[in-house]
Amino acid sequence: KQEVTQIPAALSVPEGENLVLNCSFTDSAIYNLQWFRQDPGKGLTSLLLIQSSQREQTSGRLNASLDKSSGRSTLYIAASQPGDSATYLCAVSTSNYQLIWGAGTKLIIKP
Amino acid sequence: DTGVSQDPRHKITKRGQNVTFRCDPISEHNRLYWYRQTLGQGPEFLTYFQNEAQLEKSRLLSDRFSAERPKGSFSTLEIQRTEQGDSAMYLCASRGDRRGSYNEQFFGPGTRLTVL
Repeated sequence: KQEVTQIPAALSVPEGENLVLNCSFTDSAIYNLQWFRQDPGKGLTSLLLIQSSQREQTSGRLNASLDKSSGRSTLYIAASQPGDSATYLCAVSTSNYQLIWGAGTKLIIKP
Repeated sequence: DTGVSQDPRHKITKRGQNVTFRCDPISEHNRLYWYRQTLGQGPEFLTYFQNEAQLEKSRLLSDRFSAERPKGSFSTLEIQRTEQGDSAMYLCASRGDRRGSYNEQFFGPGTRLTVL
């Protein structure tokens, strides 16, 4: 059974710092991995999608990596801003593209 | 707006009542998903449609839950005889078959259900 874990559960850093969020999964047979952002009480915004054949994806200040063999992904955020404060979730897709989710990392960027 | 929409955004109901939520996917997307998210947790898969066919249901979807997608466009999720444990955010997502982003799911804003 696929399980997804995100560490840390919460993170607070000063504005301007670079930071890394971690995601691990137990079964390497995935189709892709997505990172999402969720603001309090809101829906989900897709940030990056990495196909199983890819090793990383970049969008602006965000870079996501994928190491299928070790069951790990990282989301790197450069030059963090207060507007980056949110919960970040990773999810892996299975054979019917059902998403299996981590519990998220709550990120607070202090001005 | 061409994104996924959900209605209502918030629903407060008394225990034992029936509720129905609606999801309108992105128009060209033939695949539709329902998820449930409780506070502090990641979403959990509930069910999946390809066009009008319901292809997969989670064990989380008890007999009190039913979902339909009658014409392969919008979908409804009904909860009968609601219980306090049903309180959660119900999320809908859709996905198309276009090459490139074909397996990316796009999410609606969710319906937050509170059962008193």
